[in-house]
Amino acid sequence: DTEVTQTPKHLVMGMTNKKSLKCEQHMGHRAMYWYKQKAKKPPELMFVYSYEKLSINESVPSRFSPECPNSSLLNLHLHALQPEDSALYLCASSQPNDRALRTEAFFGQGTRLTVV
Amino acid sequence: AQTVTQSQPEMSVQEAETVTLSCTYDTSESDYYLFWYKQPPSRQMILVIRQEAYKQQNATENRFSVNFQKAAKSFSLKISDSQLGDAAMYFCAYKKDSKLTFGKGITLSVRP
Repeated sequence: DTEVTQTPKHLVMGMTNKKSLKCEQHMGHRAMYWYKQKAKKPPELMFVYSYEKLSINESVPSRFSPECPNSSLLNLHLHALQPEDSALYLCASSQPNDRALRTEAFFGQGTRLTVV
Repeated sequence: AQTVTQSQPEMSVQEAETVTLSCTYDTSESDYYLFWYKQPPSRQMILVIRQEAYKQQNATENRFSVNFQKAAKSFSLKISDSQLGDAAMYFCAYKKDSKLTFGKGITLSVRP
């Protein structure tokens, strides 16, 4: 199983709403990532969890709140977003260090978020 | 900080022909990984090929091969016998431990 599953696939939310994005993997990976991607642009790293601990926060606004309940799950809680936050949000997972046999990151299909 | 540079925003190739996508990177590390990912309009980011920095041999995966020049910090992707399904955005990426950094990407179109 080399799948990363993201739900929902599409989400429309108002600026006062609270919603959550979910990500799940069963590859035994201990690093999980959130990326934000605008159209025709590369993914921008937001957060990295390594062994269920937040290891990287790329100065993301506090209206985005990540959570890693266990080694298989990653959530991104959204609150009071702005229209400019509309984007594709990608989850990925990998082994957390380069000593693993396979170190590449596997990506989910993403959640297309629209903030109205 | 590591940077990945893809200077060509777009390329086009005739079906069945060969095309090379360029990538350079900057790092002070000696051990790291390099990848090419493909992202079609369906938006799924798909791994095309990987290269370990400690390996001198260039990686190949069927029609895809890389030219890895460690001293020059260059990592280009060659697609042979291009197919219509190869049309996508291609990203070069650098990985060290749990940090994955992408280049700006290149849009590849394939002419029938």
